[in-house]
Amino acid sequence: AQSVTQLGSHVSVSEGALVLLRCNYSSSVPPYLFWYVQYPNQGLQLLLKYTSAATLVKGINGFEAEFKKSETSFHLTKPSAHMSDAAEYFCAVSSRTGFQKLVFGTGTRLLVSP
Amino acid sequence: NAGVTQTPKFQVLKTGQSMTLQCAQDMNHNSMYWYRQDPGMGLRLIYYSASEGTTDKGEVPNGYNVSRLNKREFSLRLESAAPSQTSVYFCASSPLRNRDSTDTQYFGPGTRLTVL
Repeated sequence: AQSVTQLGSHVSVSEGALVLLRCNYSSSVPPYLFWYVQYPNQGLQLLLKYTSAATLVKGINGFEAEFKKSETSFHLTKPSAHMSDAAEYFCAVSSRTGFQKLVFGTGTRLLVSP
Repeated sequence: NAGVTQTPKFQVLKTGQSMTLQCAQDMNHNSMYWYRQDPGMGLRLIYYSASEGTTDKGEVPNGYNVSRLNKREFSLRLESAAPSQTSVYFCASSPLRNRDSTDTQYFGPGTRLTVL
């Protein structure tokens, strides 16, 4: 069975600092990987996704993630945090075969201080 | 273009009561999903509908039923609510343009349900 692990339920950064949110996956075959963001009292929206075209994936709002097969990781980064980035971030995995059923991590809440 | 809409936004039930959560999408998507979100557990798939006329169980289907009424609408029913079903429920849809699972899922704003 596929799964993802997000290290750190909360991450705090200062405005302008590097954002690093960690995601490791467990799968016998490299899966498809997604990062979704949830702003307070809203549904989730897609930040970016890895579908095996390029290992470095750029998303919306200046975020990017790098797929590293050797480390089974798909960490999310942003060079400079903005107050508006405060939200909860979810990593998710989907098998490459069959119908898409996303398996979500437990989420990381990003706190940005002035 | 409203995307994915859910009703109601909030609901309080007593143990044993029943209710139906409604979801509709106006993006002509083929696939629809119901998730529940609990603190510290992320989102878990309850049921999904790959296409109009089909429904299948997800990870946590017990205590729920679904109906894919037509291509636009996918409802979730709690026949006899229990406190363990207190959660935030999200509906999502995706185009399912291909079979290689790369589609983006689009989420509704959620229904916050409390069962006393």
